[in-house]
Amino acid sequence: DIQMTQSPSSLSASVGDRVTITCRASQSISSTYLNWYQQKPGKAPNLLIYAASSLESGVPSRFSGSGSGTDFTLTISSLQPGDFATYYCQQTYSAPLNFGGGTKVEIK
Amino acid sequence: QVQLQESGPGLVKPSETLSLTCSVSGGSVGSGNYYWSWIRQPPGKGLEWIAYMSHSGSTNSRLSLKSRVTMSVDTSKNQFSLKLDSVTAADTAMYYCARAAPTGNYPYYSYYMDVWGKGTKVTVSS
Repeated sequence: DIQMTQSPSSLSASVGDRVTITCRASQSISSTYLNWYQQKPGKAPNLLIYAASSLESGVPSRFSGSGSGTDFTLTISSLQPGDFATYYCQQTYSAPLNFGGGTKVEIK
Repeated sequence: QVQLQESGPGLVKPSETLSLTCSVSGGSVGSGNYYWSWIRQPPGKGLEWIAYMSHSGSTNSRLSLKSRVTMSVDTSKNQFSLKLDSVTAADTAMYYCARAAPTGNYPYYSYYMDVWGKGTKVTVSS
């Protein structure tokens, strides 16, 4: 199984801050198999980024993704009030299609 | 636009079978190169992928659940289903259905879950 490890598990930030979340895969995967989701309390996850760096339609351009091999990042260039949520990475290279443990972004 | 809606009992007794259905609207479960998926989230915890299935019957599931999981796709009703046998308290979770859409070039597609249902809460308790 490919394990996905996110860091940090939580962070506190202010509106306007630049935020970076890291996701590490336990083995190398093509960047096409790495996705990022946002989940707000009581809601279903929402796709932000697919194939490591492709922005899903309708997602603000302040979200971006990068990375290859085993190391991937999600960056929010200027944190907005609606961005306080939990973020998950997921690999779809091989089953089980594991998610990272999540990164909770809280208000500072 | 495609929408998904989970349905099923909110309470299941230990050792019984959990049965959930995901109804698809705005699109067809029988078309396209999609995989129809189930994901769950125990209270206060992260996301756990359970299984996926294509309309043609290609399927895969988490190894730790494989012996208890059955998925099916019903193109006539435009829905897909999950059955989880012999449930225990550890199966208590919010259950989501989702569509996994392909990107890239056949046969080297990669997938991402672009449409999710709102989720249905399942509690296993006597």
